[in-house]
Amino acid sequence: DQQVKQNSPSLSVQEGRISILNCDYTNSMFDYFLWYKKYPAEGPTFLISISSIKDKNEDGRFTVFLNKSAKHLSLHIVPSQPGDSAVYFCAARTNTGNQFYFGTGTSLTVIP
Amino acid sequence: NAGVTQTPKFQVLKTGQSMTLQCAQDMNHEYMSWYRQDPGMGLRLIHYSVGAGITDQGEVPNGYNVSRSTTEDFPLRLLSAAPSQTSVYFCASSPILNQPQHFGDGTRLSIL
Repeated sequence: DQQVKQNSPSLSVQEGRISILNCDYTNSMFDYFLWYKKYPAEGPTFLISISSIKDKNEDGRFTVFLNKSAKHLSLHIVPSQPGDSAVYFCAARTNTGNQFYFGTGTSLTVIP
Repeated sequence: NAGVTQTPKFQVLKTGQSMTLQCAQDMNHEYMSWYRQDPGMGLRLIHYSVGAGITDQGEVPNGYNVSRSTTEDFPLRLLSAAPSQTSVYFCASSPILNQPQHFGDGTRLSIL
């Protein structure tokens, strides 16, 4: 049973506009969330994280929002650039667990 | 700084054959893990290690063995390859358990 879900397999956005990638989770014990970015033929690279004690974390053009009551997090990329075209995975863990659970990924295409 | 190195990058096996996927990291990370990525399934944890001499099972351990004799190396062994093990395999490491991980570039494995 998938505990972390990314319901949009793909997303296309014009360069310069905002990209919003969504992630839902079912386990209320998750307390730490991450986003990874993956280019073809490469491994995922860590992008940004958020702890459950926060509802927002920013790093340059990337902002992650966490809505614990809705069990939902989102990644905002502003402004989007063609180099942002990649697959984005969200992942989550519990504070007592020993692993991260990954979503199925969303393929973002930024159109020049 | 090489980071996480996986070999081979590609491999084709016949059903019933055995093989070892190699993973090495040069960052002195204690935590290492193996994932498989399948279409529509995201990344699923196979086995992990919290330090030399210590390994444990993840979500999908059946058909795989691991060992951790040194901090640097974490090989994954397929005992008797099956077509269901056709996948892309990623090795990852982090300084300690449950921190963001550094991933290798993956091994694409096909079993006929």
